[in-house]
Amino acid sequence: KNEVEQSPQNLTAQEGEFITINCSYSVGISALHWLQQHPGGGIVSLFMLSSGKKKHGRLIATINIQEKHSSLHITASHPRDSAVYICAANPYSNTGNQFYFGTGTSLTVIP
Amino acid sequence: ETGVTQTPRHLVMGMTNKKSLKCEQHLGHNAMYWYKQSAKKPLELMFVYSLEERVENNSVPSRFSPECPNSSHLFLHLHTLQPEDSALYLCASSQELIIINEQFFGPGTRLTVL
Repeated sequence: KNEVEQSPQNLTAQEGEFITINCSYSVGISALHWLQQHPGGGIVSLFMLSSGKKKHGRLIATINIQEKHSSLHITASHPRDSAVYICAANPYSNTGNQFYFGTGTSLTVIP
Repeated sequence: ETGVTQTPRHLVMGMTNKKSLKCEQHLGHNAMYWYKQSAKKPLELMFVYSLEERVENNSVPSRFSPECPNSSHLFLHLHTLQPEDSALYLCASSQELIIINEQFFGPGTRLTVL
């Protein structure tokens, strides 16, 4: 069983819809990251969270440490949001180089 | 453009071939990484280099051999691969050995092993 689980695996939405992607983890973490991978491969870091909530433009990320759960929300979704979103956990006991990755959520936003 | 380039972008090779993947960063970073991304599987960290020295090797088979001749270049030498090694291989770099939000990723090399 993977230490980080994401849901859903695939998601199709109409432009303008509110989108939620979920991430659950089973280990103690120092930080949780949301990454975005566009077709073509390159990965960009969206958020790093250790508590609470962060917002950047139309993207909102939340984390509940007690429940070991994080969500990524996209408001007013747009076709350019189509990408794979990956959740990555940075466990407590590591040098900073180890991460547990989710398998990703593939999002397609239809115009 | 993240400042990290990878070549080739696509590679098809037989199981008996020897090939190399190249990564170059123009950011003045001191740490470089190789990741493997297989379909439907989590991203896997393969190798970590800091100041041209390998600091992490996550139980990667010896048919994958990394080389870091200087802080700007990272290679992954491939020989006698298996079909299950087909994946996207991503290179990343960061200023220091730090967590993933400060890593800059290249576009990846899509490898197919026949």
